[in-house]
Amino acid sequence: DQQVKQNSPSLSVQEGRISILNCDYTNSMFDYFLWYKKYPAEGPTFLISISSIKDKNEDGRFTVFLNKSAKHLSLHIVPSQPGDSAVYFCAANFVGNQFYFGTGTSLTVIP
Amino acid sequence: EADIYQTPRYLVIGTGKKITLECSQTMGHDKMYWYQQDPGMELHLIHYSYGVNSTEKGDLSSESTVSRIRTEHFPLTLESARPSHTSQYLCASSETGAGQETQYFGPGTRLLVL
Repeated sequence: DQQVKQNSPSLSVQEGRISILNCDYTNSMFDYFLWYKKYPAEGPTFLISISSIKDKNEDGRFTVFLNKSAKHLSLHIVPSQPGDSAVYFCAANFVGNQFYFGTGTSLTVIP
Repeated sequence: EADIYQTPRYLVIGTGKKITLECSQTMGHDKMYWYQQDPGMELHLIHYSYGVNSTEKGDLSSESTVSRIRTEHFPLTLESARPSHTSQYLCASSETGAGQETQYFGPGTRLLVL
């Protein structure tokens, strides 16, 4: 039973354009959501997070949006750069519980 | 950002061998985790620890064991490696702030069992 889902296994975007990565979840108890970036042969790197009391969190080129009613979050990267090419995982949890991860979306930014 | 280390980074080993994957963190985090991940799949929690002398099994049935004798060290041992153990193993530690927990990952160990 996968509680966090990333339905797009891959995404290609032109350099300079916006990349939008999506994530859906099923457990309404989740109150903290995170995005990780993973290069091949490396571990995931924490990118950005959002608490359920917010609907938007921004850090430089990265913005995460949370729509609690739809149980949906998205990561926007603007402008996209070739170095952003990686696999992006979303994750969710709530206090005292384990993390649940999506299966990842492989982003390719085309120069 | 947490400093968390894993060794070896890559390991090729024969069936039946005993192996230990090392994980250390220098941030003083109490919580540590081991995940297994295959390409295109989500991370599966196999073990976790909330502090010294505390270890629990995760969701994924595993023939591995862990120990937590020191805060900074959380090794994973496979008593008898099998080809089905071929995977990437990721160690993580976490910090909690304002009631919210963020996990930080090591670089991972890629294991191939022949």
